[in-house]
Amino acid sequence: DSGVTQTPKHLITATGQRVTLRCSPRSGDLSVYWYQQSLDQGLQFLIQYYNGEERAKGNILERFSAQQFPDLHSELNLSSLELGDSALYFCASSFTGKNTEAFFGQGTRLTVV
Amino acid sequence: GESVGLHLPTLSVQEGDNSIINCAYSNSASDYFIWYKQESGKGPQFIIDIRSNMDKRQGQRVTVLLNKTVKHLSLQIAATQPGDSAVYFCAENTGGFKTIFGAGTRLFVKA
Repeated sequence: DSGVTQTPKHLITATGQRVTLRCSPRSGDLSVYWYQQSLDQGLQFLIQYYNGEERAKGNILERFSAQQFPDLHSELNLSSLELGDSALYFCASSFTGKNTEAFFGQGTRLTVV
Repeated sequence: GESVGLHLPTLSVQEGDNSIINCAYSNSASDYFIWYKQESGKGPQFIIDIRSNMDKRQGQRVTVLLNKTVKHLSLQIAATQPGDSAVYFCAENTGGFKTIFGAGTRLFVKA
């Protein structure tokens, strides 16, 4: 158990809908990272927050957004969902703002039908 | 469990043999490299890291080699065990806040 908690574990929704994925980082970690993992694209960095502020952006679509709350948990919002958004979404956390020895959650499997 | 990367390169080794997993990285400015292991149904797990001022680093049963001349990274696993079966990713970091992951290699260990 990495100490990073993601909910829900599985999510099935229809195209055009909006979902929210939640991540609780390890106790004491200030930085949260979101990744998308699809069968054909591997692990793709989406966005990073550090102590409530956005720190870095990767290949995140405009339909997606995220935030980190004062208690350091984070949410990833995916809207206007398309079939191609079906993937595993991972959250990772680390104490520093650099992705060194980041600990990953078990992921949320999103299926868009 | 979840299937990750159905079309990944695959390495099949006999239990007890040594495994070598290779990775080519893209950015010559990358100064920090990490190997992750991902078992079916789980998130990636940190294995070992190396900084660009080193060419070799050893951990418990694992060794990472870095060749900056050809931008190549390898992970050596000694005495491979069935529990080592997983997908292995290399990742590079340029000193910023983004880490770029490689496509991964699937390791099968035959008992």
